[in-house]
Amino acid sequence: NAGVTQTPKFRILKIGQSMTLQCTQDMNHNYMYWYRQDPGMGLKLIYYSVGAGITDKGEVPNGYNVSRSTTEDFPLRLELAAPSQTSVYFCASSVDTPRETQYFGPGTRLLVL
Amino acid sequence: RKEVEQDPGPFNVPEGATVAFNCTYSNSASQSFFWYRQDCRKEPKLLMSVYSSGNEDGRFTAQLNRASQYISLLIRDSKLSDSATYLCVVTLPSGGSYIPTFGRGTSLIVHP
Repeated sequence: NAGVTQTPKFRILKIGQSMTLQCTQDMNHNYMYWYRQDPGMGLKLIYYSVGAGITDKGEVPNGYNVSRSTTEDFPLRLELAAPSQTSVYFCASSVDTPRETQYFGPGTRLLVL
Repeated sequence: RKEVEQDPGPFNVPEGATVAFNCTYSNSASQSFFWYRQDCRKEPKLLMSVYSSGNEDGRFTAQLNRASQYISLLIRDSKLSDSATYLCVVTLPSGGSYIPTFGRGTSLIVHP
């Protein structure tokens, strides 16, 4: 099992550009999550999904969009990049509910200039 | 008041010391509790879940105090390799579901 994989590892964007952060898990987990982590801070939940076709907002969803067409994939879309979106983005999955252990991907470092 | 609060530290301790961290949460309806460990520039990984009766895993002991709304992590006989950030996670009720909420983490530095 590869677990949770994320691409790219690092990206520099210009203000106003768009990009999609990819996340894939091969553990057949129902729940998937996107977080951002700013320096010296904890993780903040952006969006989460309880299964294919179902997504919901977390604490900081503004400026982002998600989709979940398959169990395995949960891409995060930034439409108009802003400097405030400079952060490290982590994708995670859990078997069934948030009460279960979350498994994290290695993260994507995004710099918006 | 933040929903999940941790002292950011850093806690600077010598090898072999015992160190304890606390994490407070504001919502009494919180359901599940965890400690994750995060090494520098890496993803968080589960250290241990926290159960009502308390639980132990080797040198690590976790406790939950629902009355005072905090969880704790005790590390005995600290090793250099324990140096990391320890993240408290609490699942909070939100619109009929529960979502995980992270504290900002407590930094631990174990020195020789």
